[in-house]
Formats: sequence, C-alpha cells, structure tokens
Amino acid sequence: DQQVKQNSPSLSVQEGRISILNCDYTNSMFDYFLWYKKYPAEGPTFLISISSIKDKNEDGRFTVFLNKSAKHLSLHIVPSQPGDSAVYFCAASANAGGTSYGKLTFGQGTILTVHP
Amino acid sequence: NAGVMQNPRHLVRRRGQEARLRCSPMKGHSHVYWYRQLPEEGLKFMVYLQKENIIDESGMPKERFSAEFPKEGPSILRIQQVVRGDSAAYFCASSPRQGSTVYGYTFGSGTRLTVV
Repeated sequence: DQQVKQNSPSLSVQEGRISILNCDYTNSMFDYFLWYKKYPAEGPTFLISISSIKDKNEDGRFTVFLNKSAKHLSLHIVPSQPGDSAVYFCAASANAGGTSYGKLTFGQGTILTVHP
Repeated sequence: NAGVMQNPRHLVRRRGQEARLRCSPMKGHSHVYWYRQLPEEGLKFMVYLQKENIIDESGMPKERFSAEFPKEGPSILRIQQVVRGDSAAYFCASSPRQGSTVYGYTFGSGTRLTVV
C-alpha cells in the first residue's frame, strides 16, 4: 500500500531550465509534506516543507506547490544547476491529533540529473 | 556541532549472524527514528524512540528486530539471525522534540547492511 507515490523514477533537465518533480498521496490524514534530497552514500537532507493550510512555499530556487483536492504536490527548481543532481524524496506526515508522532511516509524517489 | 552519527557505515554479516547498528543523535536531541531503505525503494519507518522508551514500533518486523535508546549511549537497532532480505540501508534521524516535521529531521549517513 503505497500512500505516497513518485511516479517518475528519473528526470533529466538542462542547466538553467526548470525542474519539476511530482508526488501524489492517497492518505487524507496527511497534513504536512516535505522534500528531501539525497546524494549517494549519504543520508537524506531536508530541503523544503509545506503545511496543508498553504498551497505554496518558496525558499530561494525551490518552490513547493500543494493541491489538496488532487492530493498532489510538486517541487520546482529554478534555475536548475548541476549540483542539484540527486535523488529527491517526497515525504508526508499526519500530525493531526498528535497520534503519528511525526513519523514520515516516503515516496520511492526521483533521480534528477541536471546536464551542464 | 556534530550531526547524527551512525556506525558502522558498512556492515557485512553472514546469514544467521546478528547485526548491531548504532546511532548517536545530535547533541540535545532526545528523539530518534529508524528508517530502512530497501534497494530501489523509498525509506520506510521502523521505530520511534525517546530516551529509555519505545514510543512507536509499528514499522518493525515482528521477529528478529529490536531497538533501544538507553539513558546513556547511542540508540541500537539489533537484527538477530539476519537473512538476505535484511540487506538494506538503515538510516537514523533525530529531532529535539516529538513531531518536529516542520523543519524536517536530521538524518545520519546510514549503515549499509549486506547479508551474504
């Protein structure tokens, strides 16, 4: 039962262009969403997050959009840089009522390659 | 300020042996989460611990796996009688308080367990 899905295993983008990574979820109880970036042989690094009360959050070159009705979120990277090449994981948390203890449900990841 | 330290980085065990994975959280963090990443998959929640307490072990396999976070020392994930299917990357994350998803958790670099 995959509650968080990243349907694109990989994405290839030219340097300077926009990268758009997508994520879908099925659990209506999810109310917080995060994106992590992961390099080989390292742990995931937190990138950006968004609460379900918002539909957009921006941090520098990174913007996350949330469409609750479609249960869909996306991460936009503009402009893309070769150093952005990594695996990107979408994650979700259901904190409402404090019963989830903040545990995260991850998608399968999307490998982003930014070509110079 | 050291990050989350996991050791060993790589661990090779023969089938039937025991594996012990250690995680030292960031200074001041008393909440520890363990996640497992199987090949080609996203991270899956295993267990959430506070000092001397297991809070949520809903992601732990019913047999052979155990975790602890003693008053002194690192958190330990223990796998008894390892099988080939246990081969994975095991990540530990820590946070200063429960449900700190707003800023994301800090993950360690992981322990890569290979069962031969």
